[in-house]
Amino acid sequence: DGGITQSPKYLFRKEGQNVTLSCEQNLNHDAMYWYRQDPGQGLRLIYYSQIVNDFQKGDIAEGYSVSREKKESFPLTVTSAQKNPTAFYLCASKVGPHANTEAFFGQGTRLTVV
Amino acid sequence: AQKITQTQPGMFVQEKEAVTLDCTYDTSDPSYGLFWYKQPSSGEMIFLIYQGSYDQQNATEGRYSLNFQKARKSANLVISASQLGDSAMYFCAMREGRGSNYQLIWGAGTKLIIKP
Repeated sequence: DGGITQSPKYLFRKEGQNVTLSCEQNLNHDAMYWYRQDPGQGLRLIYYSQIVNDFQKGDIAEGYSVSREKKESFPLTVTSAQKNPTAFYLCASKVGPHANTEAFFGQGTRLTVV
Repeated sequence: AQKITQTQPGMFVQEKEAVTLDCTYDTSDPSYGLFWYKQPSSGEMIFLIYQGSYDQQNATEGRYSLNFQKARKSANLVISASQLGDSAMYFCAMREGRGSNYQLIWGAGTKLIIKP
């Protein structure tokens, strides 16, 4: 079945550590996105990528980095520069960046700083 | 200023009743689109329905319909004959503009609980 797979589902990070969240899709979608979700708030865009080897910052990119070396994969690294990383992270993909198509989401990764 | 406002943090509805989830938006762009997503406790976002600003008719998808009132800038989601499985968070989101660099702007969500 086609879909988006995020791993791990739960992740614990010590202060000062970098951690990488995985996002893989087999939908042959060009566009991929990373969102952060905090309690009581809507999703906020961290980074997005429209094609391989290209990505742009979203509204809250500071403290995060991404790569898009393959169409199927868009990993997110939460660096030690991100001061408040505890949140729920959602990855999404779309056929293309075109406006009227919906995004498909993974099941999310819950990151907790310990 | 909030671009997407969902005024109902939480709602309780009796099973089999219809429910309306409110969403108001703010944009000066004549071309925009509105999306509704459902987020069950498992976490993934599930697409429900889409309405474009130039669409002449209100969108419908099965038990979901969108009450689009352009002059009032509202795009309320209506769920008919609610079921226990409808209990979830519901998010309204807006896409502004055209082209490839648009972003989705999200509301804070409404938590819907269906009572048996």
